Amino acid sequence: SQQGEEDPQALSIQEGENATMNCSYKTSINNLQWYRQNSGRGLVHLILIRSNEREKHSGRLRVTLDTSKKSSSLLITASRAADTASYFCATDRGTGGGNKLTFGTGTQLKVEL
Amino acid sequence: DTGVSQNPRHKITKRGQNVTFRCDPISEHNRLYWYRQTLGQGPEFLTYFQNEAQLEKSRLLSDRFSAERPKGSFSTLEIQRTEQGDSAMYLCASSPQGFETDTQYFGPGTRLTVL
Repeated sequence: SQQGEEDPQALSIQEGENATMNCSYKTSINNLQWYRQNSGRGLVHLILIRSNEREKHSGRLRVTLDTSKKSSSLLITASRAADTASYFCATDRGTGGGNKLTFGTGTQLKVEL
Repeated sequence: DTGVSQNPRHKITKRGQNVTFRCDPISEHNRLYWYRQTLGQGPEFLTYFQNEAQLEKSRLLSDRFSAERPKGSFSTLEIQRTEQGDSAMYLCASSPQGFETDTQYFGPGTRLTVL
């Protein structure tokens, strides 16, 4: 079953604009990760934020985490056409020995020239 | 340093046939994961290996599915008596062990189509 729900399901913006995607999840987590997937391809890891962190930056990406609301947001600033992809949040509950990820349903981002 | 590789990239089979996929993780990554992704959905966890030991299996992994990692390096995922509902992208990921190394690195996936 899917742990998270991304919002919106689809987003279309113009190049240069900012894109914000939200993710809500249901259970306590060890960390939350964001991945990008280009059409029909594998996932690329973007950023990881731990449960004791509130905000993290990586290049044009900014991620926030609110564990009290069980939600996270991904902001992509100054978007480019190459950012067109599906974006997934994934939670790691840190239970057991492994770090299996539970993914959300994804946000499809389209950046138009 | 090569990434995670998966073979084949595409597989078309008829219902009832057996199929086997292979995953080669990043060298020295002792954790290996299999996920399944259907159209329009996020990936769903199937199973996880630490070295050669299969430590967790999802309820999604029915008796027709079996995964192995015999020498703690590459892994295979076999589906017996395929059904149309098995059509999906099968993704493999690997990660090193350790608190600061929770990132999973994904392969390109194997897209299975069952006719």
